[in-house]
Amino acid sequence: AQSVTQLGSHVSVSEGALVLLRCNYSSSVPPYLFWYVQYPNQGLQLLLKYTTGATLVKGINGFEAEFKKSETSFHLTKPSAHMSDAAEYFCAVSNSGTYKYIFGTGTRLKVLA
Amino acid sequence: SAVISQKPSRDICQRGTSLTIQCQVDSQVTMMFWYRQQPGQSLTLIATANQGSEATYESGFVIDKFPISRPNLTFSTLTVSNMSPEDSSIYLCSVDSYGGEQFFGPGTRLTVL
Repeated sequence: AQSVTQLGSHVSVSEGALVLLRCNYSSSVPPYLFWYVQYPNQGLQLLLKYTTGATLVKGINGFEAEFKKSETSFHLTKPSAHMSDAAEYFCAVSNSGTYKYIFGTGTRLKVLA
Repeated sequence: SAVISQKPSRDICQRGTSLTIQCQVDSQVTMMFWYRQQPGQSLTLIATANQGSEATYESGFVIDKFPISRPNLTFSTLTVSNMSPEDSSIYLCSVDSYGGEQFFGPGTRLTVL
């Protein structure tokens, strides 16, 4: 069975500081991995995805994530936080052959001025 | 990416009543998904809706409580039946894409009194 663990339900960073949101997964088959962002009172927006190929993937708004198979991780980073990055972030995993997602519990990012 | 709309965006309902949520996509899609996001929690898949066949429900969700229709390739409805306060959640629909990711609607925020 697949699962996703997001360490830290709440993360606070100063504006301009590095953002690091952690995601670890378990999967018996090659996974597809995703990061989504949810702003207050809105749906989910895809930040980036890993399916195959290059393990470092770049997404929108300056975010990137690296797929590390040996560590079963897919951590999300951004070099410099902006106030507009304050939101809830969800990591998700699916099997390459299906569309069924398993979501992590989410990490709420707070950016301090 | 697909553009997805949901109606209503929010509603306040009395216990024992039913609410039907509509999901409209601007392009034809194979699969549509319905999720529940309880307050402060992550997303849980309710069911997968394929056009021309009955929806496939996840463990813990039954058709009598959450009947789903999928009359064509751009539209689906989810009904929350005989509601109780525990049904207060955000309900989101999503659609699949050829790239493996899902695109989400803005959600329907339901409060049951």
